Amino acid sequence: AQSVTQLDSQVPVFEEAPVELRCNYSSSVSVYLFWYVQYPNQGLQLLLKYLSGSTLVESINGFEAEFNKSQTSFHLRKPSVHISDTAEYFCAVLPMNYGGSQGNLIFGKGTKLSVKP
Amino acid sequence: ETGVTQSPTHLIKTRGQQVTLRCSSQSGHNTVSWYQQALGQGPQFIFQYYREEENGRGNFPPRFSGLQFPNYSSELNVNALELDDSALYLCASRGLAIDNEQFFGPGTRLTVL
Repeated sequence: AQSVTQLDSQVPVFEEAPVELRCNYSSSVSVYLFWYVQYPNQGLQLLLKYLSGSTLVESINGFEAEFNKSQTSFHLRKPSVHISDTAEYFCAVLPMNYGGSQGNLIFGKGTKLSVKP
Repeated sequence: ETGVTQSPTHLIKTRGQQVTLRCSSQSGHNTVSWYQQALGQGPQFIFQYYREEENGRGNFPPRFSGLQFPNYSSELNVNALELDDSALYLCASRGLAIDNEQFFGPGTRLTVL
């Protein structure tokens, strides 16, 4: 079985400050890793993903996440946040095994990022 | 190319009633998954459909059921609604490969009174 833990339910930060949203996972099989963002009253949008290769992955809007296999973590970072980054962020894993729930993303409980001017 | 759409946007039902939620997949996607997102929680996997058959299910009772149609659109049906069924229901579509990105719709907000 898999589980995802997002250690902070809320993260307030001032504009232009750096931020890190933490994600740890537990799994008995190898997994793909994802970060999704949810703006108010909207569905989920994929922010970035780790499938294989370089452990550092980047999004087009300045976020990056690093896969750390030994610590089973996939923390999300941004060196300088904007007001528009205010949203809820979800870390998720997708088991690589082809079991009865193919395509089943397992999500953390989310972290609400609040960027203040 | 249109994205994933869901209807209705909001819905209010009373306990014991039945509800049907609808989802239109993104063009070219043949796999649809449904998730329940309760307030303050992350989405939880309900089930997945591929070629009109359920091929994966999360920890939800049988009163949660679904359909997928030849055009890959999908329905989620919930019978005997309970107060705890109040949530945002998200539909996601993707291509066949296991690591294909899932594209999410905006969701249907269900309130059970």
